[in-house]
Amino acid sequence: GQSLEQPSEVTAVEGAIVQINCTYQTSGFYGLSWYQQHDGGAPTFLSYNALDGLEETGRFSSFLSRSDSYGYLLLQELQMKDSASYFCAVGSGTYKYIFGTGTRLKVLA
Amino acid sequence: GAVVSQHPSWVICKSGTSVKIECRSLDFQATTMFWYRQFPKQSLMLMATSNEGSKATYEQGVEKDKFLINHASLTLSTLTVTSAHPEDSSFYICSARVSTPSGNTIYFGEGSWLTVV
Repeated sequence: GQSLEQPSEVTAVEGAIVQINCTYQTSGFYGLSWYQQHDGGAPTFLSYNALDGLEETGRFSSFLSRSDSYGYLLLQELQMKDSASYFCAVGSGTYKYIFGTGTRLKVLA
Repeated sequence: GAVVSQHPSWVICKSGTSVKIECRSLDFQATTMFWYRQFPKQSLMLMATSNEGSKATYEQGVEKDKFLINHASLTLSTLTVTSAHPEDSSFYICSARVSTPSGNTIYFGEGSWLTVV
């Protein structure tokens, strides 16, 4: 079967750095994406990795290792507004996306 | 502004009735749209892939006769929940794929909250 595993919850303080891991097992692979979702809202795109390595976008960075079927999202200089759920997603055939279990990030003052 | 519009944002219906949710791509043509369902504090679960002019492809375990998907035009896909029951209460969200010179991008609609009473 297809699955993407993430930690269910992570807590950190403002200004800290946090890493959210994602391990996947899918029949196809068309890149690993990360999405942020605030309660009651739609997911918003954060980053995309098609190749191995680190992609940096402002305070957010994302890493991929295809040989390990593993990736992570790194959030730096945490802010209160970063409190949200974060989902990894793998493109799996015809650009349909399979989403991870989601990680709820709580940022404390 | 939104590139994918979903309507209604929330709807309450009586058990046994049908509800239609629309997903429109704004300013671009979407040959492929995707429908997801999300229960509270859970992940987004892909329900089906909607292809313009052809039948939708449903994921395993999703009842195609209960969740009717129509993609009649390049800018509109609809999801109809037929004979809704309280267990169908959920957050339904669509996404659309757009091809650009730099690759493919997925845009999500705002989502629709369905409550069946």
